[in-house]
Amino acid sequence: ETGVTQTPRHLVMGMTNKKSLKCEQHLGHNAMYWYKQSAKKPLELMFVYSLEERVENNSVPSRFSPECPNSSHLFLHLHTLQPEDSALYLCASSQDLWSTGELFFGEGSRLTVL
Amino acid sequence: KQEVTQIPAALSVPEGENLVLNCSFTDSAIYNLQWFRQDPGKGLTSLLLIQSSQREQTSGRLNASLDKSSGRSTLYIAASQPGDSATYLCAVPYSNTGNQFYFGTGTSLTVIP
Repeated sequence: ETGVTQTPRHLVMGMTNKKSLKCEQHLGHNAMYWYKQSAKKPLELMFVYSLEERVENNSVPSRFSPECPNSSHLFLHLHTLQPEDSALYLCASSQDLWSTGELFFGEGSRLTVL
Repeated sequence: KQEVTQIPAALSVPEGENLVLNCSFTDSAIYNLQWFRQDPGKGLTSLLLIQSSQREQTSGRLNASLDKSSGRSTLYIAASQPGDSATYLCAVPYSNTGNQFYFGTGTSLTVIP
């Protein structure tokens, strides 16, 4: 398998549930990202990891908790979410944080919070 | 904070037409600019990456130009096809970083057979 893979593709959860989104990249990249895409709004960068260390947290509420156990895997743990958190969550990777190379995206996880 | 604007928000053209999509950004101190394509409900696919030292980049029927001084980029699509129907997004990096991007809201393109 190649590229960036996200699971699940679709998720429906209640406000009291706990769930996790998973991202795996098979590109040998050292940097991984979580983006949020809401309707009619630009993609919002949520978290950035470089060599498994978090280097950026763009004022994301604590109900979103990222985890990067190794350079190939990235998780987004979700708990007590709000309906306005419903969106497409996209994972991306790049060779590293500082090179001006391409950004590769997964297919996204469509989250609906009831 | 960088702001990225894409005009028009939506565009519908007959098959075979040449078309231009526009992207403007407020902070010209950028390392590069990237154009992406997004099909409905899917992730983003990188189309073209223009480094700050370049003025344009070409891939097949696509040509992207960059004018840093005026804060503008254009994506030119030649001989459009129905398969080109998608949302096109441009992205510029946060200043002083390579791969953390600000995105525009995109142009939704429909090519009519």
